Amino acid sequence: DQQVKQNSPSLSVQEGRISILNCDYTNSMFDYFLWYKKYPAEGPTFLISISSIKDKNEDGRFTVFLNKSAKHLSLHIVPSQPGDSAVYFCAAGTGNQFYFGTGTSLTVIP
Amino acid sequence: GAVVSQHPSWVICKSGTSVKIECRSLDFQATTMFWYRQFPKQSLMLMATSNEGSKATYEQGVEKDKFLINHASLTLSTLTVTSAHPEDSSFYICSATLRGTGWSGNQPQHFGDGTRLSIL
Repeated sequence: DQQVKQNSPSLSVQEGRISILNCDYTNSMFDYFLWYKKYPAEGPTFLISISSIKDKNEDGRFTVFLNKSAKHLSLHIVPSQPGDSAVYFCAAGTGNQFYFGTGTSLTVIP
Repeated sequence: GAVVSQHPSWVICKSGTSVKIECRSLDFQATTMFWYRQFPKQSLMLMATSNEGSKATYEQGVEKDKFLINHASLTLSTLTVTSAHPEDSSFYICSATLRGTGWSGNQPQHFGDGTRLSIL
């Protein structure tokens, strides 16, 4: 059973607008959450993370929000740029063990 | 920094042969390396966790005799798919965490670029 879900397989956003990628998890024991970005034929690249003691973490244009009660996290990209077009994976877990979502393919339209 | 190199990037071989995939941390020592498998349009599924100098820990449903993992040094882990069959065709990807950092929350896994394995 999928412990981490990304229900939107794809998302298209106009350049300059906000991109919001969503992720849900089922295990309340998960205490660390990450977002990875993946280009074709490359491995995932770490983007941003958040621990369960926070509800928001910001790094430049990227902000991750965590809602523990809803077991939901989201990644906001503002402003979106064409170079942001990629597949975004969320991961959740504890210790060294993480579970990944199926990814959301983001297309930023110039 | 924190570069993970995976080799080969793509391999095609006949059914019944064994294939070895290497995962190297190039500029850091990796206490722990992970092996994932990804099917098309599916998430990365953890196969096993490999700690340097000890036996790998396999996830439920992963055949340890089929997928042999060796982590002989702090910079190298190998995955050998033994007697590969067409159903083993997949995208295999490794990752590594930095030595000495524990789980500080600021040291995520660093991924290689993956190996596409095609068994004829």
